[in-house]
Amino acid sequence: SQQGEEDPQALSIQEGENATMNCSYKTSINNLQWYRQNSGRGLVHLILIRSNEREKHSGRLRVTLDTSKKSSSLLITASRAADTASYFCATDAQAGTALIFGKGTTLSVSS
Amino acid sequence: DAGITQSPRHKVTETGTPVTLRCHQTENHRYMYWYRQDPGHGLRLIHYSYGVKDTDKGEVSDGYSVSRSKTEDFLLTLESATSSQTSVYFCAISPWGPGNTIYFGEGSWLTVV
Repeated sequence: SQQGEEDPQALSIQEGENATMNCSYKTSINNLQWYRQNSGRGLVHLILIRSNEREKHSGRLRVTLDTSKKSSSLLITASRAADTASYFCATDAQAGTALIFGKGTTLSVSS
Repeated sequence: DAGITQSPRHKVTETGTPVTLRCHQTENHRYMYWYRQDPGHGLRLIHYSYGVKDTDKGEVSDGYSVSRSKTEDFLLTLESATSSQTSVYFCAISPWGPGNTIYFGEGSWLTVV
């Protein structure tokens, strides 16, 4: 099935640095979403960007969407140890069905 | 807090036994989903429901059945558990329908021995 693929699989940075993770997908979408998962917990919605939007901000998060390249990026600025988590992109490529998730990027932020 | 409760949160069961996981929501949303999460596979959709007695299969539905007799409850049943069904199971709800933001429960850890 169509699925977003995050890159890199794992990312380790120092507190204060920026973290960038990418998502590529295969077919046309209506929107793309990013979720975060802390260890042992359920996923939490971070941000949704629609196909007619190119960039969206929420606090320290910046999401871009390039529909021509079928890709999205999530930038976390000034990372904190509390940002340590797995991050997933999700797409709605098939109208009327559920979100399809990628395999995630594991971010580790050390102090 | 999206008002989602999964039970049981942890279960160990033997191969061949039936297992039912329950997802309960307090908000009466129509759209509910069951996903499983496994290392190397991310989250994969098992079944979903768009209302009472309205369910459909997802990507990895083999070996699973679901029921939704009340808006607030979505049950996932493993008729005869196998070791390949050892996983973390997440229930999710969508207040705004397919393709929109969804809210997850805290997960049910199932081990089949």
